[in-house]
Amino acid sequence: EVQLLDAGGGLVQPGGSLRLSCAASGFTFTNFAMSWVRQAPGKGLEWVSSIDLSGINGYYADSVRGRFIISRDNSENTVYLEMHGLRAEDTAIYYCAKETGGTTWGGRDYWGQGTLVTVSS
Amino acid sequence: QSALTQPRSVSGSPGQSVTISCTGTSSGAGGYYYVSWYQQHPGKAPKLLIYDVNRRPSGVPDRFSGSKSGATASLTISGLQAEDEADYYCCSYAGSFFGPGTEVTVL
Repeated sequence: EVQLLDAGGGLVQPGGSLRLSCAASGFTFTNFAMSWVRQAPGKGLEWVSSIDLSGINGYYADSVRGRFIISRDNSENTVYLEMHGLRAEDTAIYYCAKETGGTTWGGRDYWGQGTLVTVSS
Repeated sequence: QSALTQPRSVSGSPGQSVTISCTGTSSGAGGYYYVSWYQQHPGKAPKLLIYDVNRRPSGVPDRFSGSKSGATASLTISGLQAEDEADYYCCSYAGSFFGPGTEVTVL
């Protein structure tokens, strides 16, 4: 059974940092790209970042580029999202998602339960 | 700037069919070629319904179907059921853009 366990969310002050993690199981992790998608309270889905199979290439939404870093540890089947310079508008539930293949062109067929990040003083 | 547009809401009675449109407004990253659709119930994670325009993951009922003509993709729900009441999102441009979402109400 495929499982994605998101963790690491919490309350952080503006300008602060946080690292999210997503532990994957039930599939061959190295065969699939991985992504983070967020949803602000009462709003729609927003793609945040994706990472390729090897972990060499990360891709970012304009709203987070230069502040967030995506990475993966293929030996631990885990993907991470380091978030720096957090702003109030980064407040959202962050979901980890597995892509259907080695790219982000297909779809996201499994999602974590989400972890809430609140940026507030 | 790439963008996707969807109707804010659609509704139908049980057993009827409803169609949600998703129109791409530019030829951004990756182009508007591969479209996926997601269902989200309140307080839950999104669920993949359709990928690669018209492919259904295993376990998704064949009541859900996808198509695309030019710059507009569509999700059709046939034989509408009460549990289909949810928000639906399209996604394209190499997975980098989601539409604003459509609320489906079952009357």
